[in-house]
Amino acid sequence: DAGVIQSPRHEVTEMGQEVTLRCKPISGHNSLFWYRQTMMRGLELLIYFNNNVPIDDSGMPEDRFSAKMPNASFSTLKIQPSEPRDSAVYFCASSRQIAAETQYFGPGTRLLVL
Amino acid sequence: DQQVKQNSPSLSVQEGRISILNCDYTNSMFDYFLWYKKYPAEGPTFLISISSIKDKNEDGRFTVFLNKSAKHLSLHIVPSQPGDSAVYFCAAENSNSGYALNFGKGTSLLVTP
Repeated sequence: DAGVIQSPRHEVTEMGQEVTLRCKPISGHNSLFWYRQTMMRGLELLIYFNNNVPIDDSGMPEDRFSAKMPNASFSTLKIQPSEPRDSAVYFCASSRQIAAETQYFGPGTRLLVL
Repeated sequence: DQQVKQNSPSLSVQEGRISILNCDYTNSMFDYFLWYKKYPAEGPTFLISISSIKDKNEDGRFTVFLNKSAKHLSLHIVPSQPGDSAVYFCAAENSNSGYALNFGKGTSLLVTP
């Protein structure tokens, strides 16, 4: 299996621009998670989906952040407009819909907002 | 509010010795605990887990201990190897309320030859 695929791996943008991060979960996994990693706060859960439906988005920092999962094999995390404090590594993870299943992480997208 | 805490940001251990990484949690509803390992420029990878019905789980050189009364878990690596040098994240979940993991901030382990 290819594992969780994220693109782009690196993104440098200017403040105010729209940023879209993409994720392809492992085939057969029903749950998808978006995390953000920063030095100050560590790994934070932003939002997660189960069977393409958003279950908990309480971690999404502001209305500037939005996430979609139009089908079982694709999800996006969008930041509009981006700000320098959004600079972080964003991870996508997926898991099977079984109790206490482990999550498999993608390699992450390193975002720098200037 | 950090529900999972790893109070040691870093740890240095000699090759062959035991590495002990600690983790504390505050939410008594957590019933499943995991350790993830992360190398630079990669995503975290699952290492070992333990259910709250157990107090120990062993997998090769890795053993996780859970003390529910103290809300504390630890990861033991014996013997430590230079390839174990990475950041280790402790994570916890309440499986009754979904599968969202709460992560600690990580402990950076350096195993020196």
